[in-house]
Amino acid sequence: DAGVIQSPRHEVTEMGQEVTLRCKPISGHNSLFWYRQTMMRGLELLIYFNNNVPIDDSGMPEDRFSAKMPNASFSTLKIQPSEPRDSAVYFCASSLSTSRTDTQYFGPGTRLTVL
Amino acid sequence: AQSVTQPDIHITVSEGASLELRCNYSYGATPYLFWYVQSPGQGLQLLLKYFSGDTLVQGIKGFEAEFKRSQSSFNLRKPSVHWSDAAEYFCAVGPNQAGTALIFGKGTTLSVSS
Repeated sequence: DAGVIQSPRHEVTEMGQEVTLRCKPISGHNSLFWYRQTMMRGLELLIYFNNNVPIDDSGMPEDRFSAKMPNASFSTLKIQPSEPRDSAVYFCASSLSTSRTDTQYFGPGTRLTVL
Repeated sequence: AQSVTQPDIHITVSEGASLELRCNYSYGATPYLFWYVQSPGQGLQLLLKYFSGDTLVQGIKGFEAEFKRSQSSFNLRKPSVHWSDAAEYFCAVGPNQAGTALIFGKGTTLSVSS
């Protein structure tokens, strides 16, 4: 299995630009999670989906952030407009379901730098 | 509210020495506990998890962790550290109900000296 795939691995953009991060979960997994990792705040959950439906987006920092999951094999996290404080590593993770016992498998992350 | 505390930001251990990384949690019920490892430039990989039963849990790469309810702790241990163990280690507590996500500690960076 290829694991969770994220693209791009690195993104450098200028303030005000739109940024789109992509994630392909492990085939057969029904739950998908987006996390953000910063030095100050550590790993934070932004949003998660179950069966392509957003379940909890309370971690999305503000309206500039949006996430979609049009099908079971693809999700995007969009930032528009981007700001320097959005610079972080963004991880996507997937699991079989949202059962408490299901392991979350993480992708390699996208390192975003907003200048 | 649930929370996870990893008191040590950075630890240096000599190769071949034993290792213990501390993790304390705050949780109202029986917690589901996890340890993940993140190598530089990589995603997080699950080392082990505890749901119930035997409080000493064995994981991959020779790691183990012990759940101590009285101390609200879930410390990670390894008897002999290898240079390849240098990485960042995250403790996490699982959701209090199905359909929510993990809460992570801030992580502990492990350096291994020769």
